[in-house]
Amino acid sequence: AQTVTQSQPEMSVQEAETVTLSCTYDTSENNYYLFWYKQPPSRQMILVIRQEAYKQQNATENRFSVNFQKAAKSFSLKISDSQLGDTAMYFCAFMNRDDKIIFGKGTRLHILP
Amino acid sequence: EAGVAQSPRYKIIEKRQSVAFWCNPISGHATLYWYQQILGQGPKLLIQFQNNGVVDDSQLPKDRFSAERLKGVDSTLKIQPAKLEDSAVYLCASSFTPQSAAELNEKLFFGSGTQLSVL
Repeated sequence: AQTVTQSQPEMSVQEAETVTLSCTYDTSENNYYLFWYKQPPSRQMILVIRQEAYKQQNATENRFSVNFQKAAKSFSLKISDSQLGDTAMYFCAFMNRDDKIIFGKGTRLHILP
Repeated sequence: EAGVAQSPRYKIIEKRQSVAFWCNPISGHATLYWYQQILGQGPKLLIQFQNNGVVDDSQLPKDRFSAERLKGVDSTLKIQPAKLEDSAVYLCASSFTPQSAAELNEKLFFGSGTQLSVL
């Protein structure tokens, strides 16, 4: 069975600092997708960044980047120049070839002024 | 492009009552998901549909939960009877199978969820 583990329940960083959220997953499949979602208090799930497993290059979206280590089954999210609006729950998610999506338990991120 | 629509936004019921949630996915999306998200936790998949067929319902408490997706479009999730531990946000999501790498910009779309409180 596939699993997604986020080992950091809660993190706090100062505004403008860089923060890294960790995620590990377990699967026997070779082709899959990985996602990071942001969930503010509004409950809306907002896609932050996406990575296809067949791509070796790490995905980057403005201030957000990932460190994808396929062999280690690790998919961490780095937020650079953090902003107050980045405060939210962050979920790592795995999608297999059957489009089944599994989420981690989340990391609550606080950006402090 | 219209998003995934869910209703109601909030629902408060007493235990042992029944409740139903509705989801209208993005037009053309074949796959529809219902997730249960308990406060402070990640979403847990309850059921996954591909068109009007069930792909995975292994975590759906079938003694009280039921879901259907008639005609492969809208879907309803029902709880009968509700228990206190069913208090959660119920998220609906839909996805499509991209035909090309260019379509992979965003594969999965979520609704805003229904917050259920069982008293």
